[in-house]
Amino acid sequence: EPEVTQTPSHQVTQMGQEVILRCVPISNHLYFYWYRQILGQKVEFLVSFYNNEISEKSEIFDDQFSVERPDGSNFTLKIRSTKLEDSAMYFCASSEVAGGYNEQFFGPGTRLTVL
Amino acid sequence: SQQGEEDPQALSIQEGENATMNCSYKTSINNLQWYRQNSGRGLVHLILIRSNEREKHSGRLRVTLDTSKKSSSLLITASRAADTASYFCATIMDSNYQLIWGAGTKLIIKP
Repeated sequence: EPEVTQTPSHQVTQMGQEVILRCVPISNHLYFYWYRQILGQKVEFLVSFYNNEISEKSEIFDDQFSVERPDGSNFTLKIRSTKLEDSAMYFCASSEVAGGYNEQFFGPGTRLTVL
Repeated sequence: SQQGEEDPQALSIQEGENATMNCSYKTSINNLQWYRQNSGRGLVHLILIRSNEREKHSGRLRVTLDTSKKSSSLLITASRAADTASYFCATIMDSNYQLIWGAGTKLIIKP
């Protein structure tokens, strides 16, 4: 069964460093998303991406964040200068061609720890 | 903004019993989705119910949706130890595709 994959599973970085979180969505999906979950808190929407551009973003997704689809399979989230409060589990998700009003399939997550 | 809110926050039952979790939301929605998360792991999609549907089944799962009360319930019948997890409801509004999440119900099934 096709699934969303994410790498790395755990990333430890120093405050102020740049990190890139990588995702490979399900191959026939065209809508991609990033969410994050700070330990013990709700899952929060960050950004959605369709047709090579951002379609929606939340207030959390400020200028420090960017997303890219560098090739036909990868979808990345970059945090330019990490802060302590960026420590969280980051989930990538994708949904199929028919549109965003369908199930979103999630990857296993990347746990980001900022020291 | 807060959208889905689940209750109870935690539920502990004996294996074999039924587990019911509720979710309330504030705005009009296109659909509501339930997800499961095992401790520290990824989010697994369970079921999606659209705003024009009232009830949906999938295996041992039964979801209801009452748009007049802006609430949904997830029933797991004949619970098993493997059902131990956190369960989240998440909604999508008509105006966008982002999932807005509740805080979750932590379900513990005692063998």
